[in-house]
Amino acid sequence: GQQLNQSPQSMFIQEGEDVSMNCTSSSIFNTWLWYKQDPGEGPVLLIALYKAGELTSNGRLTAQFGITRKDSFLNISASIPSDVGIYFCAGSNTGNQFYFGTGTSLTVIP
Amino acid sequence: GAVVSQHPSRVICKSGTSVKIECRSLDFQATTMFWYRQFPKQSLMLMATSNEGSKATYEQGVEKDKFLINHASLTLSTLTVTSAHPEDSSFYICSARVGQNNSPLHFGNGTRLTVT
Repeated sequence: GQQLNQSPQSMFIQEGEDVSMNCTSSSIFNTWLWYKQDPGEGPVLLIALYKAGELTSNGRLTAQFGITRKDSFLNISASIPSDVGIYFCAGSNTGNQFYFGTGTSLTVIP
Repeated sequence: GAVVSQHPSRVICKSGTSVKIECRSLDFQATTMFWYRQFPKQSLMLMATSNEGSKATYEQGVEKDKFLINHASLTLSTLTVTSAHPEDSSFYICSARVGQNNSPLHFGNGTRLTVT
């Protein structure tokens, strides 16, 4: 399958700080998805992106579809303790199968 | 909406036995479901695409005779791990989409398989 690299691998931040993470691919994608996964559970969809350059928000979360179509970015503003978890990007170039990134583990220190 | 349910959530089995995992779309119909595998602290790896009424499509390196997939109805796909070995121990997660291609995937809560 496809390999998507996420950066950073892990983050430790103070409550209230903003967070930025990104995802890069060697292939061009036509759809990017961002998920959050808590331990022992399935991923939960946060944001879906369908067009290069698209910027979409979901509450304190904002994600962008990179112009090159090989990357995507996720920002979280004013982090809170419940933001803790692992964030995954997922991309597809067919619209059918989605391949997942390596994940970014977020720890929020109260 | 878009609830995907997996059963069981945890299963422990002995080496050599087979285990069946069910994935159901509760409030929508899914012609296609996807099975992923996740090792501790790692990403989700796509194993196969389950197609209602036809054969599953397996990713490279995934043994189709070991991981049997049956998608007999528009709301149920099953993954059977045959002749399980300890190295098959993992977190198996299914997903499905509402609507056509490009629609986001919605995931079940996963099945933790431990083979002793």
